[in-house]
Amino acid sequence: AQTVTQSQPEMSVQEAETVTLSCTYDTSESDYYLFWYKQPPSRQMILVIRQEAYKQQNATENRFSVNFQKAAKSFSLKISDSQLGDAAMYFCAYRPPNTGNQFYFGTGTSLTVIP
Amino acid sequence: GAVVSQHPSWVICKSGTSVKIECRSLDFQATTMFWYRQFPKQSLMLMATSNEGSKATYEQGVEKDKFLINHASLTLSTLTVTSAHPEDSSFYICSARTRWNTGELFFGEGSRLTVL
Repeated sequence: AQTVTQSQPEMSVQEAETVTLSCTYDTSESDYYLFWYKQPPSRQMILVIRQEAYKQQNATENRFSVNFQKAAKSFSLKISDSQLGDAAMYFCAYRPPNTGNQFYFGTGTSLTVIP
Repeated sequence: GAVVSQHPSWVICKSGTSVKIECRSLDFQATTMFWYRQFPKQSLMLMATSNEGSKATYEQGVEKDKFLINHASLTLSTLTVTSAHPEDSSFYICSARTRWNTGELFFGEGSRLTVL
């Protein structure tokens, strides 16, 4: 069974500094999708970044980047130059190939940005 | 980007009444929508997959007679919590995928249900 583990329930970072959120997953598949979603206090989930497992290059979106270690089944999110608006719950998610439907979410990491 | 909208964003009802939550894809057609439930400070739990024109597929442990899902059109899915009880109080989130396979889900704003 696929599981997604986020071992850090809470993290904090000083404004303008860098923080890394951890995520590991379990799968026997070789091709799949990984995502980081952000859920701010307004509660709407917003896609931060996505990674296709067949791509070796780590995905990057402006200040957000991932460290995808396929062999280790690790998918961490790095937020650079942290801003107050980055404060939110962050969920790591795994989507198996070809099912089209099922997403598996981690338990989330609550990120606090300190001014 | 694809936009998913939920309504109402919050609702309070008396125990024993039914509540309907709507989920709309505003700028795309969604043959499949998903309903999640989220408890405070917890992750999202998939309740059911809503398929346009057919019956919803419920996850194990989710009562289909309690949580009625209807996906009557390519842009609208509804979740009706029937005979609501205080334990049904929760945050309900819908999501949808677009036809073009970018892989990700687009989420609605969520609906906070409080049953008194």
